[in-house]
Amino acid sequence: RKEVEQDPGPFNVPEGATVAFNCTYSNSASQSFFWYRQDCRKEPKLLMSVYSSGNEDGRFTAQLNRASQYISLLIRDSKLSDSATYLCVVNIASGGFKTIFGAGTRLFVKA
Amino acid sequence: SQTIHQWPATLVQPVGSPLSLECTVEGTSNPNLYWYRQAAGRGLQLLFYSVGIGQISSEVPQNLSASRPQDRQFILSSKKLLLSDSGFYLCAWSATGTAGNTIYFGEGSWLTVV
Repeated sequence: RKEVEQDPGPFNVPEGATVAFNCTYSNSASQSFFWYRQDCRKEPKLLMSVYSSGNEDGRFTAQLNRASQYISLLIRDSKLSDSATYLCVVNIASGGFKTIFGAGTRLFVKA
Repeated sequence: SQTIHQWPATLVQPVGSPLSLECTVEGTSNPNLYWYRQAAGRGLQLLFYSVGIGQISSEVPQNLSASRPQDRQFILSSKKLLLSDSGFYLCAWSATGTAGNTIYFGEGSWLTVV
C-alpha cells in the first residue's frame, strides 16, 4: 500500500463548479500535511498547509481527519486558472522527518 | 526572502554521457537540500537529501550521485547516463531545525537521454 494515496483523476469540471480532492495516508506517525499545486511542466508550489481544525484560504478549504488518516481539499467556484495537478504531501516523524508526496490529482476546469 | 535556482533548465544528453545539475539557495543558512525526480506522469521520487555540507543521504540506489560542496549549493551528477534517467529533476530546500518544515522547489531541469 502506498504511504500517500490520491485519486489520479482527471477531474473535468465546468467553471464555477465545486470540486473536492481526497487523500489518504497510511502512517500514523504523520505529523504535518500540505497541498501543493503543480502546473504542467513546472515545479510544485505550496498551496496551503492543512491544520487539524481545518483551514480556508479564499476559495480553497483544507481539512484533516487524523482518526481516518484522511486529508481533503475543496475548491469552490472553480476558475480556468485552477487547472493543474494537486499533490497531497505528508511529513512523517520517523527518526527525523520524511516527506512523502502523493502522485497527484489532475484537474481540468473548462469554460 | 529565500530563493532557489537550478540549472540548466533543459538538456538533451546521449546515453553514456556525464551529467551535472546545479542548485543554489539564497537568503537562508544551513538549509536541508533535496534532489527529486519526476518521471512522465508519475509522482515525485526523492533521490538525495542533505542536512549539511558533505552530508548526503541516498534514498534510491542508482547511477546518480550528489554533492554539497558549500552550505547552499547542491549538485546532482552522473558519470554515465542511462535512458531511464530521463525525467524532470527538482532541487528543493527546507529550513533546518523545526520538524515538518515546508519544502520549496526550484524551477526544475528537464533531462532527456537519447
